[in-house]
Amino acid sequence: QVQLVQSGAEVKKPGASVKVSCKVSGYTLTELSMHWVRQAPGKGLEWMGGFDPEDGETIYAQKFQGRVTMTEDTSTDTAYMELSSLRSEDTAVYYCATGQSPYYFDYWGQGTLVTVSS
Amino acid sequence: DIQMTQSPSSLSASVGDRVTITCRASQSISSYLNWYQQKPGKAPKLLIYAASSLQSGVPSRFSGSGSGTDFTLTISSLQPEDFATYYCQQSYSTPHSFGQGTKLEIK
Repeated sequence: QVQLVQSGAEVKKPGASVKVSCKVSGYTLTELSMHWVRQAPGKGLEWMGGFDPEDGETIYAQKFQGRVTMTEDTSTDTAYMELSSLRSEDTAVYYCATGQSPYYFDYWGQGTLVTVSS
Repeated sequence: DIQMTQSPSSLSASVGDRVTITCRASQSISSYLNWYQQKPGKAPKLLIYAASSLQSGVPSRFSGSGSGTDFTLTISSLQPEDFATYYCQQSYSTPHSFGQGTKLEIK
């Protein structure tokens, strides 16, 4: 059974960066393909990017290219998502998500609220 | 990019009703289609993967069908705990886009 535990809520000013962590237990990070999904208040789910095992690389949604970096520390089984040049529209709950297959997400973190406000 | 369109956006139904939610992809995605349920303040929960495979632990009143571009999620007999928002997602190609969601409310 995989468990994903995310870091706590963040408040950032416009233009700043935020780094959200996702600690994995039950499996090692190398056995999983980690993805990140966000949800703005009252809105739907938006896939930001994730590891593609067929290509062996992390793929980012075009919308976030140049602003997002997803990394992994396999020594601690922790995944990270860093988003830079924050604007108010980035206010959202950010989720890490993964699965026993790379094609669906049966495990989700609890979510991290990132608030961007001056 | 593949666009996913769900219908309806919202739906009112009663306990015991049979409900169907539709998801359409802008191009063929074979059977790379998943369904999630989300309740307020909670992370999404996987219900159906690969268009029609029921995730372990999910009640059998949930079922999925379709392939290519048109897919459906059916709840055979609504229970009180089923009132939530439902999302489809394609995993055929990146970005792994979601539908806009269908909010299922109590009539």
